[in-house]
Amino acid sequence: GQNIDQPTEMTATEGAIVQINCTYQTSGFNGLFWYQQHAGEAPTFLSYNVLDGLEEKGRFSSFLSRSKGYSYLLLKELQMKDSASYLCAVKDSNSQLIWGAGTKLIIKP
Amino acid sequence: DAGITQSPRHKVTETGTPVTLRCHQTENHRYMYWYRQDPGHGLRLIHYSYGVKDTDKGEVSDGYSVSRSKTEDFLLTLESATSSQTSVYFCAISEGGGSGANVLTFGAGSRLTVL
Repeated sequence: GQNIDQPTEMTATEGAIVQINCTYQTSGFNGLFWYQQHAGEAPTFLSYNVLDGLEEKGRFSSFLSRSKGYSYLLLKELQMKDSASYLCAVKDSNSQLIWGAGTKLIIKP
Repeated sequence: DAGITQSPRHKVTETGTPVTLRCHQTENHRYMYWYRQDPGHGLRLIHYSYGVKDTDKGEVSDGYSVSRSKTEDFLLTLESATSSQTSVYFCAISEGGGSGANVLTFGAGSRLTVL
């Protein structure tokens, strides 16, 4: 079966750095996405990785290792507004998106 | 903001009644999707559309039907609602649907409660 694993919940301190991991087992691979979802709101796109390595976008970076079936989202200089759920999704060989259950990130002052 | 709206935003209904959720876009995107989101689960695809009158099933399509008679509108119908269909429903749109970075833009969601 196809599976995406992420931690259910993480806690971090304002101003710090946090890494949210995502491991996947899918039928083929056509890219990995990270979305942010604030409570009660719609998911919004953060990043896309299709090749191995690190993609940096301001305070957020996303890393991919296809051989390990592994990605992480790195958030630097955490702000209270970063409190949200972070969703990992993989596009399989049929171009269908498989979603993880999301990681709820709690930021403490 | 991408022009995508869902209606109604909140609905409470009784078991056995029909329910229709509407998704409207002003982006002229070809692909439209209906997902449901439940605690402890990832987003799960119900149905999607790749053009007017072109639709296909997702992983949790039982009990749901869809229609797309115009590019801008994608309707999700629960023919006879059950309590297991209590959920938050998200519509999403994308320009493309194949491999590649086809980013999804989501509507604000419709919270449905079936009593």
